[in-house]
Amino acid sequence: QQKVQQSPESLIVPEGGMASLNCTSSDRNVDYFWWYRQHSGKSPKMLMSIFSNGEKEEGRFTVHLNKASLHTSLHIRDSQPSDSALYLCAASDSNNRIFFGDGTQLVVKP
Amino acid sequence: EAAVTQSPRNKVTVTGGNVTLSCRQTNSHNYMYWYRQDTGHGLRLIHYSYGAGNLQIGDVPDGYKATRTTQEDFFLLLELASPSQTSLYFCASSDASQNTLYFGAGTRLSVL
Repeated sequence: QQKVQQSPESLIVPEGGMASLNCTSSDRNVDYFWWYRQHSGKSPKMLMSIFSNGEKEEGRFTVHLNKASLHTSLHIRDSQPSDSALYLCAASDSNNRIFFGDGTQLVVKP
Repeated sequence: EAAVTQSPRNKVTVTGGNVTLSCRQTNSHNYMYWYRQDTGHGLRLIHYSYGAGNLQIGDVPDGYKATRTTQEDFFLLLELASPSQTSLYFCASSDASQNTLYFGAGTRLSVL
């Protein structure tokens, strides 16, 4: 069973709109979370990390983490066509293994 | 930006063939990882390592061996390749804090 589940599988938002992506872990040993972005034909690159409860904002990107429910979300405001990519949620466990979900494919339509 | 180099970039082999994928990082990172990515899916962890001579098992290790010969070099070995191992393989490295994974450009492997 996959340790990290992401939703939705795909998302279409208009340019300038808000995109909201979700990620939950089913493994109680998970402690840290990351969001990676992978443009088509490229390798993943880290977008944001969050290790403690609460919210973290960097420019147009905001991540939330609820450690009790092992749920994190990524919100992209004022979405741009260049934000179109596969967004991958990652989590690490107590054995330092880093697991990824299947991703959310985001399309931002001009 | 941290540097992770994978070779070859593309590889075609036949069922039962022997394949070695190479990864070198020049970041002085402790951790190195091998993942596979199938079309439309995320990354699945095959093996990872804390340092030279260390090997840890990931989520999908069957059919794969790995060896970390030096701090810089991590190899993935497929000794009897099967068509189910056709995939895009990524190597990554991170420092001891594991704050960020730095990925190589990937190796696309086809097993016919």
